[in-house]
Amino acid sequence: KNEVEQSPQNLTAQEGEFITINCSYSVGISALHWLQQHPGGGIVSLFMLSSGKKKHGRLIATINIQEKHSSLHITASHPRDSAVYICAVNGNQFYFGTGTSLTVIP
Amino acid sequence: SQTIHQWPATLVQPVGSPLSLECTVEGTSNPNLYWYRQAAGRGLQLLFYSVGIGQISSEVPQNLSASRPQDRQFILSSKKLLLSDSGFYLCAWSGVSRETQYFGPGTRLLVL
Repeated sequence: KNEVEQSPQNLTAQEGEFITINCSYSVGISALHWLQQHPGGGIVSLFMLSSGKKKHGRLIATINIQEKHSSLHITASHPRDSAVYICAVNGNQFYFGTGTSLTVIP
Repeated sequence: SQTIHQWPATLVQPVGSPLSLECTVEGTSNPNLYWYRQAAGRGLQLLFYSVGIGQISSEVPQNLSASRPQDRQFILSSKKLLLSDSGFYLCAWSGVSRETQYFGPGTRLLVL
């Protein structure tokens, strides 16, 4: 079993839809990260969370430490949001989910 | 500001040939450095990490090795590539607190 599980694996949405990607983890962590991997392969860090909620533009990330669960929300989705979104956690090492491939259709 | 470079961006190599991928970091000192592999349809797998010059920790047994000849240089090598070495190789760095990792652009390796 992976230390980090993401759902769904693949997601297709119409432009403008509200999107939620979920992440559950099974190890003790000091922080959780949401990463975005573009089709060319480059990875950028979107959020680092240790509690509560963070917002950046149309992106919102939440974490529930007790339930070992985090969600990434995208409001008013746009085709440029199409990417793979990866959840990662700081345990005794970095653990990564397998990613959620999001396609937003115009 | 800090930047991380990887070279080359894409590589096609025959089975049995050697490999050398380079990663360099600018704008920071004494970073922790990491090599990851991302196989098609799979998550990131940590291969090696280094907390200082000449200090390499290996996470999984494999056909690859890593070296850190300078503070901001991290090299991934193989003496003889296998088909299963194909994948997307990412280098990353973090500060000593290891709170956030910053990723390089990656090297796409295809072994034929």
